[in-house]
Amino acid sequence: NAGVTQTPKFQVLKTGQSMTLQCAQDMNHNSMYWYRQDPGMGLRLIYYSASEGTTDKGEVPNGYNVSRLNKREFSLRLESAAPSQTSVYFCASSDGAEQYFGPGTRLTVT
Amino acid sequence: AQSVAQPEDQVNVAEGNPLTVKCTYSVSGNPYLFWYVQYPNRGLQFLLKYITGDNLVKGSYGFEAEFNKSQTSFHLKKPSALVSDSALYFCAVRDMGDYKLSFGAGTTVTVRA
Repeated sequence: NAGVTQTPKFQVLKTGQSMTLQCAQDMNHNSMYWYRQDPGMGLRLIYYSASEGTTDKGEVPNGYNVSRLNKREFSLRLESAAPSQTSVYFCASSDGAEQYFGPGTRLTVT
Repeated sequence: AQSVAQPEDQVNVAEGNPLTVKCTYSVSGNPYLFWYVQYPNRGLQFLLKYITGDNLVKGSYGFEAEFNKSQTSFHLKKPSALVSDSALYFCAVRDMGDYKLSFGAGTTVTVRA
């Protein structure tokens, strides 16, 4: 039981490049989430998926898109990376109350 | 709208002393409250939650938190801190009918030997 897994662990992009962050959970949870963590700002919700087939914007969705591929997988795409998207990205899943987090992806955009 | 405030950026305590990390919240309905801990270069780990019932909630690693509705607070406590408790702690809240969590900015706890 791996919980929530994320790939890659680290990524460096140039401004304007695109990439997809992958997330998978093996806990059969209905809800999945993408957050970004910046110093002094806590975690901010980018997008979430309450159940398979649905996605909704969170607090900071601009510049991002998501796909809930199936119940297990929820990917985050940056179409044209900007330096302001330099951050640590966390995926989480939940089946009611608490959320369970992946180890994170550290993204740097130069 | 929902929000969380963690008024202290840093808390420093000596090993063996009591540890308290403060959290206040704001929600329109009934709150679900959570504490998470983050060690360096790791994801967040769930510590404890308040959903309903007893106002004193016990969680992992000897931590507990008290829900105070009148003061809209959910302070995290540990009677005797360990050096290994040094980490970043996040309080989070969501409205009972919502999927989205709102996090505080985090409190860095340093426990000195």
